[in-house]
Amino acid sequence: QQQVKQSPQSLIVQKGGISIINCAYENTAFDYFPWYQQFPGKGPALLIAIRPDVSEKKEGRFTISFNKSAKQFSLHIMDSQPGDSATYFCAARHTGNQFYFGTGTSLTVIP
Amino acid sequence: DTEVTQTPKHLVMGMTNKKSLKCEQHMGHRAMYWYKQKAKKPPELMFVYSYEKLSINESVPSRFSPECPNSSLLNLHLHALQPEDSALYLCASSQGAASNQPQHFGDGTRLSIL
Repeated sequence: QQQVKQSPQSLIVQKGGISIINCAYENTAFDYFPWYQQFPGKGPALLIAIRPDVSEKKEGRFTISFNKSAKQFSLHIMDSQPGDSATYFCAARHTGNQFYFGTGTSLTVIP
Repeated sequence: DTEVTQTPKHLVMGMTNKKSLKCEQHMGHRAMYWYKQKAKKPPELMFVYSYEKLSINESVPSRFSPECPNSSLLNLHLHALQPEDSALYLCASSQGAASNQPQHFGDGTRLSIL
């Protein structure tokens, strides 16, 4: 059973456009929601994270929107650049210190 | 460069070999994790150590044996692996029981079983 559902599986965006990746969860015991960026041959790197008592967090071109009642959260990448081309994973932390990952989104930014 | 260091970066071994993967962090984190990642898939949790004690074992076959010698080190001992065990093995660490603390990943060991 997939604890965190992520969509789309792949995304192609023009340079300068907005990339949007969505995640949804059911378990109300999740208390922390990070997003990771992974390049080929590298481990996942933390991009941005949010607590469930916050509805939005922005860091540079990256924004997380969080809807606690709908149990959904999304990553927006503004002014997408070719260097943003990577695989993105959302995740959710259970209070038992266990992290559950979404299935991943492969983002391609076309110059 | 990541703050979690994994060695070796690549490992090729036969099915009868015994080898170990190593992971080290010096961030003072008290939780450490082993994940397995197949191509184009998310990381799959294998083991969690919290304060140097094994707290989660996700029904991993006994041919994988974790060890946490101290708060900075995590090993994964491998024996009699199967071809389907070929994958990227990732180590991660986090502060521990506190919330709002992310995991920090190493760049992994690329393991190939012949």
